[in-house]
Amino acid sequence: EDKVVQSPLSLVVHEGDTVTLNCSYEVTNFRSLLWYKQEKKAPTFLFMLTSSGIEKKSGRLSSILDKKELFSILNITATQTGDSAIYLCAVEETSGSRLTFGEGTQLTVNP
Amino acid sequence: GAVVSQHPSWVICKSGTSVKIECRSLDFQATTMFWYRQFPKQSLMLMATSNEGSKATYEQGVEKDKFLINHASLTLSTLTVTSAHPEDSSFYICSAVNSGGNYEQYFGPGTRLTVT
Repeated sequence: EDKVVQSPLSLVVHEGDTVTLNCSYEVTNFRSLLWYKQEKKAPTFLFMLTSSGIEKKSGRLSSILDKKELFSILNITATQTGDSAIYLCAVEETSGSRLTFGEGTQLTVNP
Repeated sequence: GAVVSQHPSWVICKSGTSVKIECRSLDFQATTMFWYRQFPKQSLMLMATSNEGSKATYEQGVEKDKFLINHASLTLSTLTVTSAHPEDSSFYICSAVNSGGNYEQYFGPGTRLTVT
């Protein structure tokens, strides 16, 4: 059975801190790993990773995938209160685009 | 960019009634759509894969007679919660795969269902 595990499950930091969120997976037919940010509504897309070792970056957020060790990390530097959200990691299978989600990391950034 | 809508955005219904939720891809075709359910403080759980023109594929433990899925066109899938009970109260989210383009998956804004 496909499995995606995120850690930590929750994290409380102060504005300006840097955080690293982890995602490990076991999937039979891996196609890609995706990171989403969820606030009050549906998830919003952050990154899609398909190749090992290539960092994807968007502003203060960056992510990298290690297909040998089967994990990914999401880094957020200089955190702001607006970064407070649940961060979801999902793995996509090659057949049919089916996504398996991890439990998510609840990030709280205090002023 | 690709947009997926859901209707209604929230609904309250009485126990025993049925509720239909629509998921539309507004500017792309989607032969495949997915339906997820999310309970408070939990992650998204895939309920079923909706395939245009054929029967939906349900995940283990999801009752196909209770959660009816119809994907009659390339831009619309519907989820009907039949004989709803309070334990069906949840956040239902759909996603659509852009089959006419990049095969990326786009999420709808979700539907909050409360069964009283």
